[in-house]
This record gives sequence, C-alpha cells and structure tokens, in this order.
Amino acid sequence: GESVGLHLPTLSVQEGDNSIINCAYSNSASDYFIWYKQESGKGPQFIIDIRSNMDKRQGQRVTVLLNKTVKHLSLQIAATQPGDSAVYFCAETLSGGSYIPTFGRGTSLIVHP
Amino acid sequence: DGGITQSPKYLFRKEGQNVTLSCEQNLNHDAMYWYRQDPGQGLRLIYYSQIVNDFQKGDIAEGYSVSREKKESFPLTVTSAQKNPTAFYLCASSWRQTGELFFGEGSRLTVL
Repeated sequence: GESVGLHLPTLSVQEGDNSIINCAYSNSASDYFIWYKQESGKGPQFIIDIRSNMDKRQGQRVTVLLNKTVKHLSLQIAATQPGDSAVYFCAETLSGGSYIPTFGRGTSLIVHP
Repeated sequence: DGGITQSPKYLFRKEGQNVTLSCEQNLNHDAMYWYRQDPGQGLRLIYYSQIVNDFQKGDIAEGYSVSREKKESFPLTVTSAQKNPTAFYLCASSWRQTGELFFGEGSRLTVL
C-alpha cells in the first residue's frame, strides 16, 4: 500500500544549499518514523529516526521534523554535498510488537556541483 | 563483520522457471523481510518472518514463496506464477523490538 507518500519525486539543488524532503503519512496511529537513503543499485541505509513523542531530532547535517497534527514528516539536509545524491524514503511503523514499516515512493535528490 | 548478504547480485531467468534468491544475516536479528522495488517506485513488502519457522504474507505475496528454517537465512523463491518478476529484490532484517531495518545490497532479477 501507499499509506506513506512524498510530495516531490525529484529535488534538484546546488552543492552547499540546504535540502528539504517532505513526506506525508496517513496512519495517525504510527509512532515511529525512519528516513532511509538509497544510492543507485544499493540497498537503503538508515539515516535518522524519530518517535512520535518528539517533534524534532538532529543528526550530523540532518534534521527530521515531525508534525503529528497534519501527519507530515520532513528531512532537512544542511550544506548538501554531491554524495547526498540518492533516493530518500520515509517509513512509518507501529509499536507494540509489530514493526512492519510502510515505505513511500521516494524522492530523488540530485545535487549539482 | 556483521551484516546481511544477498546473492546473486544479478540473475537472469527464462519464463516458466523458478528462481531462488538467497538472504543470510549474521546480526542475530529475529525478523527478516523481502521487498520488491520497481523503477521509480517505493518498497513493497512480499513476505516477512519474525521468528524461525514462521512467516507472513506481505502486500504482494502472490507468485512468491519463502522459508525460515534457520534464524540466519530467509530465501525467497520467485515462482513461474509471478506474472511480472523482473525487479530489484531487497532483503532486510531487524530486531523484533525496533523498527530499524538493515538492508542487503539487493538482487536484480531479469526475466528474458
């Protein structure tokens, strides 16, 4: 199913810009969210996660924001680099012993030098 | 090093043939998953297993089969009943009590 969706299938930015990738989720009961990065021909890799009791979490150059009111998630990448070029997926899961993430279609981030 | 290994990386199949994709993990994870990815699409769940000798159908299980005889292994068979098997297949594993998935590098299946 496509209960998790992304607003922009492709995002092009210049090196050094900040990037924002958006994600809408449909299940208000979801309480754990993960962002993955998938480079061409490879499997997705974990970037950052956030639980529903938080609205912001920061990592190295990345920040995830969660707005439960409108069921919206965003991934912010600071000072985007060519190595950030990839497809980014958000995933939503439910707690309570069943952790089967639902993935969205993905956003392709293209960083121009 | 701990990780999750898929093989083969590339596989070609004639129509009407069954093929089996291997997935092995040495992370001591309880749960394992198979996803299918088509170009420009997200990840669709085929099967998952949260414990040895037990597995559940995902959203697109038709034409696929799995087994989970060992904790470390979760092979996927793409049968001749799968109408459009050409795709990129991803295996993943996780601890049962977390939602973070660790993915393999994928297997690209092409039906000739």
